[in-house]
Amino acid sequence: DAGVIQSPRHEVTEMGQEVTLRCKLISGHNSLFWYRQTMMRGLELLIYFNNNVPIDDSGMPEDRFSAKMPNASFSTLKIQPSEPRDSAVYFCASSPRGLAGTDTQYFGPGTRLTVL
Amino acid sequence: AQSVTQPDIHITVSEGASLELRCNYSYGATPYLFWYVQSPGQGLQLLLKYFSGDTLVQGIKGFEAEFKRSQSSFNLRKPSVHWSDAAEYFCAVGEGGGNKLTFGTGTQLKVEL
Repeated sequence: DAGVIQSPRHEVTEMGQEVTLRCKLISGHNSLFWYRQTMMRGLELLIYFNNNVPIDDSGMPEDRFSAKMPNASFSTLKIQPSEPRDSAVYFCASSPRGLAGTDTQYFGPGTRLTVL
Repeated sequence: AQSVTQPDIHITVSEGASLELRCNYSYGATPYLFWYVQSPGQGLQLLLKYFSGDTLVQGIKGFEAEFKRSQSSFNLRKPSVHWSDAAEYFCAVGEGGGNKLTFGTGTQLKVEL
């Protein structure tokens, strides 16, 4: 199995531009998590989905951030408009059974976002 | 709300020496506890997890952790560290079946040859 796949691995953009981060879950997994990692705030959960449904988006910083799961194996995290304070490494993770169990989360390699 | 404290930001050990990374948690119910490792430029990888049962948990790469309820701790140990263990280590506590994780701030481990 290829594991969780994220693209792009690196993104440099200018303030005000739209940024879209992508994530492909491990086949058969039904929960998807988006995290953000910064030096100041550490690793924060932004949102998680179970069976394509957003369960908790309380970690989403503001309306500029949105996340979707258009199908069971793919998710996007969009920032519009982007700001320099959004610069961070964004991880997605998936787990096999979601809320029902005590699953391990499998992390992707992350997308390093720099907003100039 | 649940929280995790990793009091050591940086730790340096010599190769072959023993290692203990500290983790304290705050959670009202029985915690679901995890240790993850992050190598430079990589995502996080699970080392081990504790949900119930034996309080000494064995993980991958020769790591183990001990759950001590009385101390609200879940410290990670390894008897002999290898240079390849240099990485950042995160303790996490889970809620709602262990799928929503709150991470500690991490401990950066440096291994001297």
